[in-house]
Amino acid sequence: DQQVKQNSPSLSVQEGRISILNCDYTNSMFDYFLWYKKYPAEGPTFLISISSIKDKNEDGRFTVFLNKSAKHLSLHIVPSQPGDSAVYFCAAKPRSGTYKYIFGTGTRLKVLA
Amino acid sequence: EAGVAQSPRYKIIEKRQSVAFWCNPISGHATLYWYQQILGQGPKLLIQFQNNGVVDDSQLPKDRFSAERLKGVDSTLKIQPAKLEDSAVYLCASSLGSSGNTIYFGEGSWLTVV
Repeated sequence: DQQVKQNSPSLSVQEGRISILNCDYTNSMFDYFLWYKKYPAEGPTFLISISSIKDKNEDGRFTVFLNKSAKHLSLHIVPSQPGDSAVYFCAAKPRSGTYKYIFGTGTRLKVLA
Repeated sequence: EAGVAQSPRYKIIEKRQSVAFWCNPISGHATLYWYQQILGQGPKLLIQFQNNGVVDDSQLPKDRFSAERLKGVDSTLKIQPAKLEDSAVYLCASSLGSSGNTIYFGEGSWLTVV
């Protein structure tokens, strides 16, 4: 049972335009969410997080939106740059228990120059 | 501040052989994680330590995988005997605490079992 889903395996966007990466989850107990970026042959790098008490968090070109009723979050990158080409993972954690992060399968973003 | 250190970066072994991976977390981070990432999938938690105690090892194949964090700092993950399906990247990560904190990953140890 995939509790965190990234239904788009890949996405191509023109440089300068907006990239929108989506993530859906099924467990209503998830209350903290992270986005990671991964380049080939490197470990995932933390990008941005959001708590369930918020519906938006911004950090420079990166904004994460959380829609709790739809159990959906999205990462917006504006403007997209060629260096943003990577695989993006979302991860979610429940508010109690062992605080185990569950990761999605990733979306490969390609920003075209 | 130094990040999460892992070694070796790459390892190729034959099936039924053994392998060990080492991890040094970010200084001061009490929680250490080992994740397995198979190509095309997201990272899957194998084991989580809080200091030197195991918090969650529910997805660790205990018949062949073992991990320890003896002094609450460094950790080793061992596979014995290895199977072909163990080919993956083994990611070590750490966080300050276990609740609501960002986890920081090392560069990973890439294992190929032939």
